[in-house]
Amino acid sequence: GAVVSQHPSRVICKSGTSVKIECRSLDFQATTMFWYRQFPKQSLMLMATSNEGSKATYEQGVEKDKFLINHASLTLSTLTVTSAHPEDSSFYICSARDGTGVYSPLHFGNGTRLTVT
Amino acid sequence: AQTVTQSQPEMSVQEAETVTLSCTYDTSESNYYLFWYKQPPSRQMILVIRQEAYKQQNATENRFSVNFQKAAKSFSLKISDSQLGDTAMYFCAFAYGGATNKLIFGTGTLLAVQP
Repeated sequence: GAVVSQHPSRVICKSGTSVKIECRSLDFQATTMFWYRQFPKQSLMLMATSNEGSKATYEQGVEKDKFLINHASLTLSTLTVTSAHPEDSSFYICSARDGTGVYSPLHFGNGTRLTVT
Repeated sequence: AQTVTQSQPEMSVQEAETVTLSCTYDTSESNYYLFWYKQPPSRQMILVIRQEAYKQQNATENRFSVNFQKAAKSFSLKISDSQLGDTAMYFCAFAYGGATNKLIFGTGTLLAVQP
């Protein structure tokens, strides 16, 4: 079945550095990908919607300049956490929609645990 | 704005018994979709069941079924014959047609199936 690959699964970085997380759809083309953030024992909070070939749409309260999203191809979206700080430590999950309708299957990556020291 | 509320942070059920997880939502949209996702300790999000709002018939998937009450904006999940592998975080989610078709998640219910 359809698979979404998210890499890396874990990353530790120093405060002030940038980290890039990749989300790939392996056997389907994803015109839309979503990036979520999940704190321990909490829900998934939508950060932004990534559309291939256009600028990402960010949710209210999400800093566009801190969380850079690029969706350069139909199979790859990247999230870059710039100038990371300890408060950015979290679990980040991407998802990709296989199709264009709201009822199209939404496939999730396995997530990336980011720890900023 | 669309909101999804799960009022039960944690629940426990004995193996082979039935459990119902609650979910309410608020929206002004007329055409929308509701989902239940499962997140086991592996953190992988797994679709359990989904329901189109315009369908009155409740969706079922093997041991999983929903009770969709559109007027009350309620969408509960019933798990029959609970199994140890059902232990997970369960999220109710809402989506509606539009430019982005984004999925909004509820706060989650941690279900523990006891042997």
